[in-house]
Amino acid sequence: DTAVSQTPKYLVTQMGNDKSIKCEQNLGHDTMYWYKQDSKKFLKIMFSYNNKELIINETVPNRFSPKSPDKAHLNLHINSLELGDSAVYFCASSQEGVAGVHTDTQYFGPGTRLTVL
Amino acid sequence: QKEVEQNSGPLSVPEGAIASLNCTYSDRGSQSFFWYRQYSGKSPELIMFIYSNGDKEDGRFTAQLNKASQYVSLLIRDSQPSDSATYLCAVNLSGSGGSNYKLTFGKGTLLTVNP
Repeated sequence: DTAVSQTPKYLVTQMGNDKSIKCEQNLGHDTMYWYKQDSKKFLKIMFSYNNKELIINETVPNRFSPKSPDKAHLNLHINSLELGDSAVYFCASSQEGVAGVHTDTQYFGPGTRLTVL
Repeated sequence: QKEVEQNSGPLSVPEGAIASLNCTYSDRGSQSFFWYRQYSGKSPELIMFIYSNGDKEDGRFTAQLNKASQYVSLLIRDSQPSDSATYLCAVNLSGSGGSNYKLTFGKGTLLTVNP
C-alpha cells in the first residue's frame, strides 16, 4: 500500500551508460515531480508533470528526459551518465486543491541512490 | 533567483529542551510554507504546513509564520533523541501555471537531540 514508490532503490553504473528510474503513485494525485538531492543534501526540483503534461523543467541537462505515460507514473531516463549525476533522486506527487483550498503538500517516494563510476 | 535560507547547523539541544529552527525566504509573494523532516538515508516526510500569519500547533510541533518579515520557524517542544534529523523548510511560490506547483527547499538544518 506504498503511496509513492520508486525502482530501483539503488543503481550503480558506469559513466556513459543510459539508465531509467521508475516512479508510481497510488494516491490519485495529478502532479508528479523529480528532485535531485546531492551529497550536501540540497534538494532541487528537476521536473514536474501535471496530468501527463510537463509544467516545470528546471535547468537540467537534456541528457535527462522525463516521461509520463499516465498521471500515476513518471519515469526518468538519463543518457550518457556522468560522475556528477551521482545523487539520490526522489519522486514526489501532490494534488492541486480547489480554489481557496491549499492541498499542495508533496509526498515523497523512498528515493533512488544513483552511483556513477 | 528565489531563495530559501536555513542555518545548516548542526543544532544541538539536550533532551527535553525546545529546538528552534528558522527559515527565511526571498519571494514576498510566497503562499505556502512547509516543514519536512528527513532522517539519514530516508526520504523527506511532511511535518507541518502553514499558510497564514501566526502560529500553528500540532502536538509537540509549532510552526510560526511572519510574512512581513519573510520568516517561518519550527519549534519542537520536549525534544526527543528520535527528533534528530535534518529539517527542510520549503516554500511554494505565488503565481499561476507552473509556479503553483514548485517547492523551493532550503538546504536543511541538522538537529541533534542529546540524551
